[in-house]
Amino acid sequence: GAGVSQSPRYKVAKRGQDVALRCDPISGHVSLFWYQQALGQGPEFLTYFQNEAQLDKSGLPSDRFFAERPEGSVSTLKIQRTQQEDSAVYLCASSLLEGPNQPQHFGDGTRLSIL
Amino acid sequence: AQKITQTQPGMFVQEKEAVTLDCTYDTSDQSYGLFWYKQPSSGEMIFLIYQGSYDEQNATEGRYSLNFQKARKSANLVISASQLGDSAMYFCAMREVTGNQFYFGTGTSLTVIP
Repeated sequence: GAGVSQSPRYKVAKRGQDVALRCDPISGHVSLFWYQQALGQGPEFLTYFQNEAQLDKSGLPSDRFFAERPEGSVSTLKIQRTQQEDSAVYLCASSLLEGPNQPQHFGDGTRLSIL
Repeated sequence: AQKITQTQPGMFVQEKEAVTLDCTYDTSDQSYGLFWYKQPSSGEMIFLIYQGSYDEQNATEGRYSLNFQKARKSANLVISASQLGDSAMYFCAMREVTGNQFYFGTGTSLTVIP
């Protein structure tokens, strides 16, 4: 597809369950980012990949959060033992190259609700 | 300290009028990029405009222009000839050369009135 694709669009899980969120970046994009967006707030950085290498995971809120991009294209964000405070929209973004002048192109997000 | 500050939680503008959305930023880097994104109610973040810290000219993209005042560390978005479809949340963001992440502000909700 032409844009960043995220699935599922909506996810409801019970507290304590594990969830996996998928991101298909734009083909050929080197950089991939995950963000968490709480209601009424701006996106907050979670983690960053350059190709398959996870170069920055400083934004992951706890060791329950894990992200991977094994072949340098599709990425998965996994949340283990979910808690209610994990409820948010999770946005994935990609950019063609690396650098502060590169705009990020975002997917539609996955809206995660933890009951 | 907040990296990006957007002080206008909500703004209203009459259709066909111009509107300015404020953004100030905080960085000690000499090289950085400033971005504006639009987020409609559908949730997708749409890239609007980019300004580099070394760019001497203000960026323009169609009806969008960025009023960049480096000494004041401000990067205001100007939307000319507002349209009903411009109603959305608008986020200012920055990426520093020394870091990997984008820093986003809390956003401004723009409503265009017919």
